[in-house]
Amino acid sequence: AQTVTQSQPEMSVQEAETVTLSCTYDTSESNYYLFWYKQPPSRQMILVIRQEAYKQQNATENRFSVNFQKAAKSFSLKISDSQLGDTAMYFCAFRYTGNQFYFGTGTSLTVIP
Amino acid sequence: KAGVTQTPRYLIKTRGQQVTLSCSPISGHRSVSWYQQTPGQGLQFLFEYFSETQRNKGNFPGRFSGRQFSNSRSEMNVSTLELGDSALYLCASSSGTRVDQETQYFGPGTRLLVL
Repeated sequence: AQTVTQSQPEMSVQEAETVTLSCTYDTSESNYYLFWYKQPPSRQMILVIRQEAYKQQNATENRFSVNFQKAAKSFSLKISDSQLGDTAMYFCAFRYTGNQFYFGTGTSLTVIP
Repeated sequence: KAGVTQTPRYLIKTRGQQVTLSCSPISGHRSVSWYQQTPGQGLQFLFEYFSETQRNKGNFPGRFSGRQFSNSRSEMNVSTLELGDSALYLCASSSGTRVDQETQYFGPGTRLLVL
């Protein structure tokens, strides 16, 4: 069975600082995809960043980057230069082809001005 | 491209009634997934439809059902509503292929309140 664990229910960061959200997963699959989604208080879930397991290079999207450790089954999200608009619930997710998405329980991030 | 749309956005029902929620995926997407989101349980996977066939199913009772039409639009039905069915129901679509790394794109959700 596939599981995704986010061990930090809540986090806070000062504006302009850097914060890292943790995610670990468990799977026996070798080819899969990992995602971070953001859900602001308005509730629309938005894709932040994604990573293909067979790619060793960590994905980067502007201020968002991941640290993907396949052997350790770890997929953390780093947010640099945090902005007030980054305040949201962040969900880590896993999927392999043809199968459902597995989501973590989420990390509520608050950016403090 | 237009995003994923869900109707209605808000719904109030009473116990015992049934409800149908609708989801229109992004044009060209063949996969539609449904999720129930509550503060206590987080995101719970209901089911996924791909090309009109249920491809994956979560652990929900048979009162929850769905279907997908030939134009990829999907409906979710909940019969004999219970108070515990109050939640935000999210729909997500994806191409269903590896072209976009199987990414799901979410709609705004339907907020269901059961009284």
